[in-house]
Amino acid sequence: GAVVSQHPSWVICKSGTSVKIECRSLDFQATTMFWYRQFPKQSLMLMATSNEGSKATYEQGVEKDKFLINHASLTLSTLTVTSAHPEDSSFYICSAGDSTTGELFFGEGSRLTVL
Amino acid sequence: AQSVTQPDIHITVSEGASLELRCNYSYGATPYLFWYVQSPGQGLQLLLKYFSGDTLVQGIKGFEAEFKRSQSSFNLRKPSVHWSDAAEYFCAVGVPGGYQKVTFGTGTKLQVIP
Repeated sequence: GAVVSQHPSWVICKSGTSVKIECRSLDFQATTMFWYRQFPKQSLMLMATSNEGSKATYEQGVEKDKFLINHASLTLSTLTVTSAHPEDSSFYICSAGDSTTGELFFGEGSRLTVL
Repeated sequence: AQSVTQPDIHITVSEGASLELRCNYSYGATPYLFWYVQSPGQGLQLLLKYFSGDTLVQGIKGFEAEFKRSQSSFNLRKPSVHWSDAAEYFCAVGVPGGYQKVTFGTGTKLQVIP
């Protein structure tokens, strides 16, 4: 079946640095991708909708300058956590919709730890 | 806006016993409904989904779910639980036409005891 790949699967960084997480659809095109954040033992909270070739749509309360999203191609969306702080430590998951079939697939997540 | 409630935060069942995980949704019409499973430190795997048609939906790993409009529910069931079913289960709702943007419930953690 279709696969969505996230990279890196885990990352540790120092406070104040920026971290980029990639989300790729490996065998299908995705005009729309979604970024979720999951705190420990909690559910997934939608952060933003990433649209290929246009600006991302952020959910209420999500800082767009903090979480930069770029969807430059039909198979790649990136989430950059800028000037990361310990409170940004979380599990970030992306999902991608197959433009042809409409199916939705999730990546395996990226665990960010900010020291 | 749509919302999902999973009333049970944690459920423990014996291996071989039957399982039912509850899910209630709130939406003005018939939504798209999903059940996902997440193992520790892993991403999400789709168990099954309901868009329309037969209200009893069969999924992977022996799971099924039944859409009951009158109760606004979409409970997940399995007749005989295996130890490998221990995981976190999320019910989710999507808006028809824009279902790719789904809203998740808070999850139910399933523990399976020998």
